[in-house]
Amino acid sequence: DVKVTQSSRYLVKRTGEKVFLECVQDMDHENMFWYRQDPGLGLRLIYFSYDVKMKEKGDIPEGYSVSREKKERFSLILESASTNQTSMYLCASSLVLEKLFFGSGTQLSVL
Amino acid sequence: AQKVTQAQTEISVVEKEDVTLDCVYETRDTTYYLFWYKQPPSGELVFLIRRNSFDEQNEISGRYSWNFQKSTSSFNFTITASQVVDSAVYFCALRGYQKVTFGIGTKLQVIP
Repeated sequence: DVKVTQSSRYLVKRTGEKVFLECVQDMDHENMFWYRQDPGLGLRLIYFSYDVKMKEKGDIPEGYSVSREKKERFSLILESASTNQTSMYLCASSLVLEKLFFGSGTQLSVL
Repeated sequence: AQKVTQAQTEISVVEKEDVTLDCVYETRDTTYYLFWYKQPPSGELVFLIRRNSFDEQNEISGRYSWNFQKSTSSFNFTITASQVVDSAVYFCALRGYQKVTFGIGTKLQVIP
């Protein structure tokens, strides 16, 4: 069964901390994505990666960076967490042009 | 740039009514893909359908049907004889070659 695993379901961090959100997929997918979901705003694309070491900015990349050193793993980094980054973060992966498979999400609270 | 608009933020229907969720998209790509996902209260996103830009045939799957009209850049989703289990947030999404853009979602509440 296909799987996208996000390392934490809930995370609480302090303002200014560096935060790592990890995502692993076991489907040998080329494409991986990070979205944040906020009430009334839907899913907004932060970054995506179409191959190892390749990344592209999404619609709201400010304050975030990503890393994809291995095909199965895609990390989202908050360089200096701020309260407006409190959100549900969703990772997804897919084959090229195919449907996205989503992880169960990480609810991040920045205090 | 690509954009997905779901103008209906919330819809309430009584069980057994039919309901249509609207989706309008914008893209400069000639080849693209459209999706619908369901997010029930449990939170997990469930894939419903994928349609490519060259296939304008409507599709029916049980109580679900989709109407793709390239001329109006719309990909609408109809639930026939709605049930309480259909209560969820429904997202329409657009995929170019790489980027996948979602709409803000339509929250559907089916009242018993």
